[in-house]
Amino acid sequence: AQSVTQLGSHVSVSEGALVLLRCNYSSSVPPYLFWYVQYPNQGLQLLLKYTSAATLVKGINDFEAEFKKSETSFHLTKPSAHMSDAAEYFCAVSEPSNTGNQFYFGTGTSLTVIP
Amino acid sequence: DTAVSQTPKYLVTQMGNDKSIKCEQNLGHDTMYWYKQDSKKFLKIMFSYNNKELIINETVPNRFSPKSPDKAHLNLHINSLELGDSAVYFCASRSGPRELFFGEGSRLTVL
Repeated sequence: AQSVTQLGSHVSVSEGALVLLRCNYSSSVPPYLFWYVQYPNQGLQLLLKYTSAATLVKGINDFEAEFKKSETSFHLTKPSAHMSDAAEYFCAVSEPSNTGNQFYFGTGTSLTVIP
Repeated sequence: DTAVSQTPKYLVTQMGNDKSIKCEQNLGHDTMYWYKQDSKKFLKIMFSYNNKELIINETVPNRFSPKSPDKAHLNLHINSLELGDSAVYFCASRSGPRELFFGEGSRLTVL
């Protein structure tokens, strides 16, 4: 069965510091991988996605993620954190199944940015 | 234009009541979902419809009944509401293996 693991349910960084949110997945086939952001009292918004093209994927607001097949990882990074980056971040995987393409979410990482 | 819209955004109701949440998408997607997000932000899939056909029905009490009148709409009806049903319910849609598009959520509070 597919699983998505986000290490660290809470991450705190100082404003201007590097943001690193970790995501590992288990999949027997090359998956599609996604990062979503959820700001307070809002829905989930797509940050970026990997769909078997370039392994380094750039998203909105200077976020990027690198697909590493050997490590089954898709960690999210941003060079310099802004206060506005404080939110909940979800890693997700999509892979084929007998009921269509199943979508699996990690348990989320809450990012706090310290001024 | 709102791609995935849910109504109402907020519901406050008493235990034992029945309530419905409606969802519409104008993206032309063939698959729609209902997710439940609890207070710890965990997202749990409840149901999925593909072209009006139920394809995913997770372990959800049968007090929850989805209905898809057409592939652009997926409604959720909840009977005999319980305290534990308090959560944010998200509608989402997608086409094939691509990303999910989410609505803004419907926050249900059961008193």
